[in-house]
Amino acid sequence: AQTVTQSQPEMSVQEAETVTLSCTYDTSENNYYLFWYKQPPSRQMILVIRQEAYKQQNATENRFSVNFQKAAKSFSLKISDSQLGDTAMYFCAFMINTGNQFYFGTGTSLTVIP
Amino acid sequence: KAGVTQTPRYLIKTRGQQVTLSCSPISGHRSVSWYQQTPGQGLQFLFEYFSETQRNKGNFPGRFSGRQFSNSRSEMNVSTLELGDSALYLCASTRGATGELFFGEGSRLTVL
Repeated sequence: AQTVTQSQPEMSVQEAETVTLSCTYDTSENNYYLFWYKQPPSRQMILVIRQEAYKQQNATENRFSVNFQKAAKSFSLKISDSQLGDTAMYFCAFMINTGNQFYFGTGTSLTVIP
Repeated sequence: KAGVTQTPRYLIKTRGQQVTLSCSPISGHRSVSWYQQTPGQGLQFLFEYFSETQRNKGNFPGRFSGRQFSNSRSEMNVSTLELGDSALYLCASTRGATGELFFGEGSRLTVL
């Protein structure tokens, strides 16, 4: 069975500070993709960053970066220089490379405090 | 380029009724998937369609069904509604095996 665990239901960070959101997953597959999606209040879910499991280099996207530890099945998201617009629910997800079935965690609600 | 469009955005039903939700994917996207989002449960995968064929199905009862049309538009149906079916139903489309889902705004279903 494939599972995704986000152990931090809620987090807060001061504007301009750095915050790290945790995610662990479990799968017996070797080829998969990992994602962080962002769902702002009452708005559509959008992709923040993605990581191919076969790549050792951690993905970065502007202020967003990941720490991918394949052996530990850990995939954390670091947000640098937090902005008010980063306030949202963040979902960790992975997709097996045999179809478009995604497995999502339960989400972390992040609040950026001015 | 228009995004993923879901209709209706909000609806209220009573137990035992049925509901049909619609999703129009981004033009050119042939894969459409559906998710149920509830507080504390995150997103639960319902099913995924590609070229009118259901390729994957999540662990939901048979009351939940779907289909996809030749223009890639998709519908999902829930019959014999239960209180626990109250949720935000999200549709997402993707062009291929790129891994990026494009989500609609969702259809919020309330069952009374």
